[in-house]
Amino acid sequence: AQSVTQLGSHVSVSEGALVLLRCNYSSSVPPYLFWYVQYPNQGLQLLLKYTSAATLVKGINGFEAEFKKSETSFHLTKPSAHMSDAAEYFCAVTQGGAGGTSYGKLTFGQGTILTVHP
Amino acid sequence: KAGVTQTPRYLIKTRGQQVTLSCSPISGHRSVSWYQQTPGQGLQFLFEYFSETQRNKGNFPGRFSGRQFSNSRSEMNVSTLELGDSALYLCASSGGQGEGNEQFFGPGTRLTVL
Repeated sequence: AQSVTQLGSHVSVSEGALVLLRCNYSSSVPPYLFWYVQYPNQGLQLLLKYTSAATLVKGINGFEAEFKKSETSFHLTKPSAHMSDAAEYFCAVTQGGAGGTSYGKLTFGQGTILTVHP
Repeated sequence: KAGVTQTPRYLIKTRGQQVTLSCSPISGHRSVSWYQQTPGQGLQFLFEYFSETQRNKGNFPGRFSGRQFSNSRSEMNVSTLELGDSALYLCASSGGQGEGNEQFFGPGTRLTVL
């Protein structure tokens, strides 16, 4: 079974400060890992994904995440927070199926609400 | 390319009624997944359809059902609504050529059960 733990339901930073959102996963096989962002009253937008090609993954809006197998972690970082980064962030895991082009079941963490202060 | 669309965006029902939600995936995507989002339980997987067949199912009662049509559009149905079914229902599609494994989400349908 796979699971995701996001440490910290709320994270608050000042504009320009480092953003660090923590995610630890549990998976019996090599996982596919994702970070999604959700703005109020909207669906989820993919920030980045890890699919074993590279351990350091760069995403949109200046975010990146590093896959660390030894720590079973996939923390999300951004060097300098912007007011527009305020949103809820979700880490998710899925295990690839045997063939096919779709892996339909994502398991999400509980989410981290990021607040950015001016 | 148009994104995932969901209709309706908002819905108010009363206990005991049934409801049908619709999802149109991105063109070319063959997989559609449904999720329920609530403040207490977070995001939970309902089921996934691929080429008109249910391929994965989450831990929800049989009141929750779905189907997928030949054009990949999907519907989910909830019968005998309960207050606890109030949630944001999100649909996601995947499986487009060259897009890897990520799921693309629609804006959701906000269901309120009174």
